[in-house]
Amino acid sequence: AQSVTQLGSHVSVSEGALVLLRCNYSSSVPPYLFWYVQYPNQGLQLLLKYTTGATLVKGINGFEAEFKKSETSFHLTKPSAHMSDAAEYFCAVSDDRGAQKLVFGQGTRLTINP
Amino acid sequence: DTGVSQNPRHKITKRGQNVTFRCDPISEHNRLYWYRQTLGQGPEFLTYFQNEAQLEKSRLLSDRFSAERPKGSFSTLEIQRTEQGDSAMYLCASSTGTGGPGELFFGEGSRLTVL
Repeated sequence: AQSVTQLGSHVSVSEGALVLLRCNYSSSVPPYLFWYVQYPNQGLQLLLKYTTGATLVKGINGFEAEFKKSETSFHLTKPSAHMSDAAEYFCAVSDDRGAQKLVFGQGTRLTINP
Repeated sequence: DTGVSQNPRHKITKRGQNVTFRCDPISEHNRLYWYRQTLGQGPEFLTYFQNEAQLEKSRLLSDRFSAERPKGSFSTLEIQRTEQGDSAMYLCASSTGTGGPGELFFGEGSRLTVL
């Protein structure tokens, strides 16, 4: 069975600082990996995904993530945080090619300090 | 494209009452998913439909829960004899089924509070 662990339920960084949100997964087959973001009072939206090919994937709003099979990780980074990045971030895994069903981590709330 | 719409956005009910949530997916999407999200946790899969067919149900979906998608368009999620443990955000998502894996489009959710 798949699972996702997000290290740190709450991360706080200063505006302009590096953002690093950690995600480790468990999957019995090569996984598909995702980061979703949830802004206050909005639905979850896809930030970026890894399926096959290049292990460094770029998403919206300057975020990127790197798939590291040896470490079973898919950490999310952004070089310079902006106030508008404050949100809840969810890492998810799927090894179900057919149903597109996702298993989510518990989420990390990102706070940006001015 | 008006996105995925869920109603009501908030529902407060007393234990033992029945509640129903509605989800209107993006019009051309033939797959529809229900997830549940409790405080401090990520969304958990409940069930999904391909058109009007319910193809998979999670063990989280007890006998008190029933979901339908009668005409392959909107879907309803009914909870009978609600319990306090049912308090959660119920999320609906849709997809084309042929697009990239994991590209689900989520609604804003329906928050249920059981007193």
